[in-house]
Amino acid sequence: GAGVSQSPSNKVTEKGKDVELRCDPISGHTALYWYRQSLGQGLEFLIYFQGNSAPDKSGLPSDRFSAERTGGSVSTLTIQRTQQEDSAVYLCASRTPSGGYNEQFFGPGTRLTVL
Amino acid sequence: GENVEQHPSTLSVQEGDSAVIKCTYSDSASNYFPWYKQELGKRPQLIIDIRSNVGEKKDQRIAVTLNKTAKHFSLHITETQPEDSAVYFCAASIDNTDKLIFGTGTRLQVFP
Repeated sequence: GAGVSQSPSNKVTEKGKDVELRCDPISGHTALYWYRQSLGQGLEFLIYFQGNSAPDKSGLPSDRFSAERTGGSVSTLTIQRTQQEDSAVYLCASRTPSGGYNEQFFGPGTRLTVL
Repeated sequence: GENVEQHPSTLSVQEGDSAVIKCTYSDSASNYFPWYKQELGKRPQLIIDIRSNVGEKKDQRIAVTLNKTAKHFSLHITETQPEDSAVYFCAASIDNTDKLIFGTGTRLQVFP
């Protein structure tokens, strides 16, 4: 079946511009996560959506970052007034709901470069 | 706040040797510990996970051990092959939430 997809795969933007990154989770996966992976670093949690519950935004680094999830499926991560330090790979992951933990399936990521 | 430390950051082994990657975590409520493998330019993929009610889990050449008292867990790869070369990330669940906190990764190189 289709995995998690993300678009665009690469995005180059100028400092100060806004960008939108898209994530299409696996059908039926109600949990969706966004992570940031800077060069040579681990995966930094940004935001988590679970069904119709309010999202957990505790990982967003500043108020320039926001995300939404429409219809419980597609999610968009928006970065306003981009800065050079925002350059990173942004990864989306989804998983099925369950009573315990299970695998997060990752998308291929969007490589963001802020000039 | 919660933290996961991972060592070493890089590891080079000869094909056929074993590789061990270690992680420690700070949240005593953590009860799920997955390991992800990320090949160059590709997405992370789960290779093995362990829950807090067991101390060890094996899957062919890979195994994970968990010491809840000491709050550390390890990945063991035996009979390494060049295709094992990748970055490996450990992770721990946060305080009975559905979130994971990841280690900073270990770049494993297996030389033929």
